[in-house]
Amino acid sequence: EAEVAQSPRYKITEKSQAVAFWCDPISGHATLYWYRQILGQGPELLVQFQDESVVDDSQLPKDRFSAERLKGVDSTLKIQPAELGDSAMYLCASSQGWETEYFGPGTRLLVL
Amino acid sequence: DAKTTQPPSMDCAEGRAANLPCNHSTISGNEYVYWYRQIHSQGPQYIIHGLKNNETNEMASLIITEDRKSSTLILPHATLRDTAVYYCIVREYTDKLIFGTGTRLQVFP
Repeated sequence: EAEVAQSPRYKITEKSQAVAFWCDPISGHATLYWYRQILGQGPELLVQFQDESVVDDSQLPKDRFSAERLKGVDSTLKIQPAELGDSAMYLCASSQGWETEYFGPGTRLLVL
Repeated sequence: DAKTTQPPSMDCAEGRAANLPCNHSTISGNEYVYWYRQIHSQGPQYIIHGLKNNETNEMASLIITEDRKSSTLILPHATLRDTAVYYCIVREYTDKLIFGTGTRLQVFP
């Protein structure tokens, strides 16, 4: 069964450093999402792509976060500089258009 | 903000049916009811969704009341591997998923 791949699974960094997360969606899925999940809360959408175009980035802190999906396939989410409050699980999901979203295993980030 | 209300936690004995309630009193005619679950340290997993009619798949059944203001997710024979946080989400077909804090289901032996 096809799955969404994410790497790394865990990342520890110091504040003010740059970090990057990678996501490979299910083949053929044009829509890709990045979510952030703070411990004890549900996931919150950061950015949504349709192919290589951003559809919704209203909740993305653009002063330090950036996301790209250059060829409309895999995607990278970057944080620069990282802050203590960025410690969270970062989840990637994909879907065919508006169909069911399938989530990857996530990247757990700890900022020291 | 999430448009649903769920109990924060529930227990269920292994082998028994787990019935997870969800209130969505402000649901509109175009909004679907979706259920996802999240096992510890994993990404959310889609379970089932419905609009008006009751739905069943290999994982669960979804019962939606006639006025659509509430629904129940039923896991017919809960196992220890069903221990997870279950999220009930109301959304229009083209809307983004908005997660609340869900129900933490603990299945015990």
